[in-house]
Amino acid sequence: AQKVTQAQTEISVVEKEDVTLDCVYETRDTTYYLFWYKQPPSGELVFLIRRNSFDEQNEISGRYSWNFQKSTSSFNFTITASQVVDSAVYFCALRGTSYGKLTFGQGTILTVHP
Amino acid sequence: NAGVTQTPKFRVLKTGQSMTLLCAQDMNHEYMYWYRQDPGMGLRLIHYSVGEGTTAKGEVPDGYNVSRLKKQNFLLGLESAAPSQTSVYFCASSPNRAPGAFFGQGTRLTVV
Repeated sequence: AQKVTQAQTEISVVEKEDVTLDCVYETRDTTYYLFWYKQPPSGELVFLIRRNSFDEQNEISGRYSWNFQKSTSSFNFTITASQVVDSAVYFCALRGTSYGKLTFGQGTILTVHP
Repeated sequence: NAGVTQTPKFRVLKTGQSMTLLCAQDMNHEYMYWYRQDPGMGLRLIHYSVGEGTTAKGEVPDGYNVSRLKKQNFLLGLESAAPSQTSVYFCASSPNRAPGAFFGQGTRLTVV
């Protein structure tokens, strides 16, 4: 069985604040992949990042950074100096290697106010 | 390069009617998925396929059937639509060796 939990349903911040979106996962697979997707108000799903279970290096891409910690089964996403355009629903997802199933969390609605 | 294409984009059905949603991908991906998205529920997996001719149940398969007769197409069928199936449906495809799902633009289905 695999499960992804995003405990934060909604987050509201003011522009330029930093914000961290939490993601906790469960899987029995020893090899797996974790993802973050963004869904802006227009509705499409935009791929942001993929990590595999063997690579615990943190990653930074511009204002985005990701903290993968296998010990706590977490894959958190931080936006630095948030902007109004970051307002969206963000999904964390997990794909195990046993069956190829891709499971999503419930999503976190991020609203960035000017 | 079209990526993942869903047909149709919008549909209104009456309770009890049947319909098929088509997902087509041109990236030669092995894996394909159907999700439904409801407010506050995230993306829930309906069915998925790990290759041509294979299908498997996801979290919410009841009321839906799927087929993957050709590698590039993944069909989702509703045999007798119910109002509870009103949702936005997303199809995705993913390669096996370098996973990362590519999504279609979604189908908004309303059952009245």
